[in-house]
Amino acid sequence: EPEVTQTPSHQVTQMGQEVILRCVPISNHLYFYWYRQILGQKVEFLVSFYNNEISEKSEIFDDQFSVERPDGSNFTLKIRSTKLEDSAMYFCATRDRGLNGYTFGSGTRLTVV
Amino acid sequence: SQQGEEDPQALSIQEGENATMNCSYKTSINNLQWYRQNSGRGLVHLILIRSNEREKHSGRLRVTLDTSKKSSSLLITASRAADTASYFCATDHDRDSGAGSYQLTFGKGTKLSVIP
Repeated sequence: EPEVTQTPSHQVTQMGQEVILRCVPISNHLYFYWYRQILGQKVEFLVSFYNNEISEKSEIFDDQFSVERPDGSNFTLKIRSTKLEDSAMYFCATRDRGLNGYTFGSGTRLTVV
Repeated sequence: SQQGEEDPQALSIQEGENATMNCSYKTSINNLQWYRQNSGRGLVHLILIRSNEREKHSGRLRVTLDTSKKSSSLLITASRAADTASYFCATDHDRDSGAGSYQLTFGKGTKLSVIP
């Protein structure tokens, strides 16, 4: 079964540093998403990406966040100047054209110290 | 309550029993999905039910949807210890963008413990 691959699985970074989280979507999927889950809390939508641009973003997705698909395969989430409260599990998800279920990656656990 | 709220928050049952989890939501939806998450792991898609469907089965899973009450239930029959996990409902509804982003709104989840 096709998978969404996320790397790294765990990243520890110092406060103020930049991190890039990577996702390899399923090849024929067209819609890409980032979600995050702070420990013990609900999964929250960050941003959706379609046709090489952001289609929607949440209030969480402020100027410190950015996404891109630089080489047509990897889908990345960049967090500039990380804060302690950015510590969370970050999930990439992709979806095909139909209104079907999403496929989530296994997540990147980001710890900001 | 917020969009996609599950109850109970925690459920503990004996192996072999059935587990029922409920989810309520507020706005209109395209579909409702249930996901499973083992502790600290990724989200696994279990089942999707569209807004024009009332019931759906997949193996030991049975999902119902009542759009008039804006609620859904997930039933796991003949539970196993391996079913121990958190279960989330997520509603899929196109927001203002019109770009078909269909982002998901998750509930807080039900933590299911199946005791061997």
